[in-house]
Amino acid sequence: AQKVTQAQTEISVVEKEDVTLDCVYETRDTTYYLFWYKQPPSGELVFLIRRNSFDEQNEISGRYSWNFQKSTSSFNFTITASQVVDSAVYFCALSSRGGGADGLTFGKGTHLIIQP
Amino acid sequence: EADIYQTPRYLVIGTGKKITLECSQTMGHDKMYWYQQDPGMELHLIHYSYGVNSTEKGDLSSESTVSRIRTEHFPLTLESARPSHTSQYLCASTSPPTGSQPQHFGDGTRLSIL
Repeated sequence: AQKVTQAQTEISVVEKEDVTLDCVYETRDTTYYLFWYKQPPSGELVFLIRRNSFDEQNEISGRYSWNFQKSTSSFNFTITASQVVDSAVYFCALSSRGGGADGLTFGKGTHLIIQP
Repeated sequence: EADIYQTPRYLVIGTGKKITLECSQTMGHDKMYWYQQDPGMELHLIHYSYGVNSTEKGDLSSESTVSRIRTEHFPLTLESARPSHTSQYLCASTSPPTGSQPQHFGDGTRLSIL
């Protein structure tokens, strides 16, 4: 069975601070894919990044960066110089080629609050 | 940019009514999904489809049913709504190879059963 754990239920920081959202996953598959999605208050899910299990390179996109470490089964997400518009719920998700549905297994989400 | 549309955006309706939530995508994706999300909680897969005339139940048991008569259309139906069905329902689709590609989500339907 697959599992995604986002231990931080809610994080509140002041604007311009850096913040890291943790994600730990469990899977028995050797080929799998990790995703981060953003859910603003309006409710839609916005895709942020995908990482496959064979690519442990970290990635940076503007103020966003992701750290994938297979040794610790973690896929953490850092926002540098946070802004109020970053306030949202962030979900980490996992899918594998071995799963019948190829549906996503989601973590419970981290509610990020950026205070002005 | 993904083009996947859900209607209605919000629905408040009484117990016992039949409800159909619409989901359409214009990307020609074969694989489509329905997720249920209770307030403040994670998403759970309730239905998916590999293509026309294919429907499967997801990880979370649901009293809803789905159909896939056309590639672009994947509606979800509740025959008799109950307060326990109050939730947000999100539709998604993806291009092959499935599992590796990101799922593109609609804006969701927030359903409230009185």
